[in-house]
Amino acid sequence: DTEVTQTPKHLVMGMTNKKSLKCEQHMGHRAMYWYKQKAKKPPELMFVYSYEKLSINESVPSRFSPECPNSSLLNLHLHALQPEDSALYLCASSPRGRGPEQYFGPGTRLTVT
Amino acid sequence: LAKTTQPISMDSYEGQEVNITCSHNNIATNDYITWYQQFPSQGPRFIIQGYKTKVTNEVASLFIPADRKSSTLSLPRVSLSDTAVYYCLVGDIRRDDKIIFGKGTRLHILP
Repeated sequence: DTEVTQTPKHLVMGMTNKKSLKCEQHMGHRAMYWYKQKAKKPPELMFVYSYEKLSINESVPSRFSPECPNSSLLNLHLHALQPEDSALYLCASSPRGRGPEQYFGPGTRLTVT
Repeated sequence: LAKTTQPISMDSYEGQEVNITCSHNNIATNDYITWYQQFPSQGPRFIIQGYKTKVTNEVASLFIPADRKSSTLSLPRVSLSDTAVYYCLVGDIRRDDKIIFGKGTRLHILP
C-alpha cells in the first residue's frame, strides 16, 4: 500500500464548530506532516510528528491541534476557526532517513463560513 | 535553510524536452535536492531526489553540477498532462522537520 489517505475530501464548518481531519498511511513511515495550502501558494508546513515527537511551526495558531494516535494515523483537530483558515489541508508521510522525500495525500478542502 | 529560486512560469510544447532550473546558492553539505509536481487541488507528488551528478528514474532526470549551487529537472518528451506546478526543495537528509517549499514553477504545455 503506497497511499496516504485523507478524510473528509471536503469540509464546510462554521466558526464555532469543532471538527477533525484524518490522515492514514500504511507504508511504515515514522514521520507524518500537516500542511496548509492557499490558492496559488506553496504548501506551508504546520506540524511534524517524527518518531512520536511533535515539531510545531510557531506561526500556526492554537485553534489547530494535531494528534498522532499511532504511527499510521494523524489527526488535525479544528476549533473556532476563522474564514482565513479556509484552504487545502495536506497530510504527508516520509520514509526514515530520506529528509524532504514525502508522500502526500489528496488533501481536505476546508471552507470556514 | 537553503533558499531556492525557480522561474515563475514556463511554456513548452508537446513532445519537447523541458528543463527547469533551480538555484540554491546556500546549499549545505548534508542537503539533498528534491522535486515535486502538483496538479490543481491535489497533493504534491514526489518526482526525484538527488545529492550530486545525475539521477534518473522513469519520470525525470535530475542534473546537479559539482558546486551543487543549482540543479536542473529534465522532463523528456512532455505531454499536455505534464502541465503542473513544479517545486524544488533543498533540505537536510537527516532532518524531517525543516521543510520549506519555494514558490514553484508553473509549467504550461501547449499542443
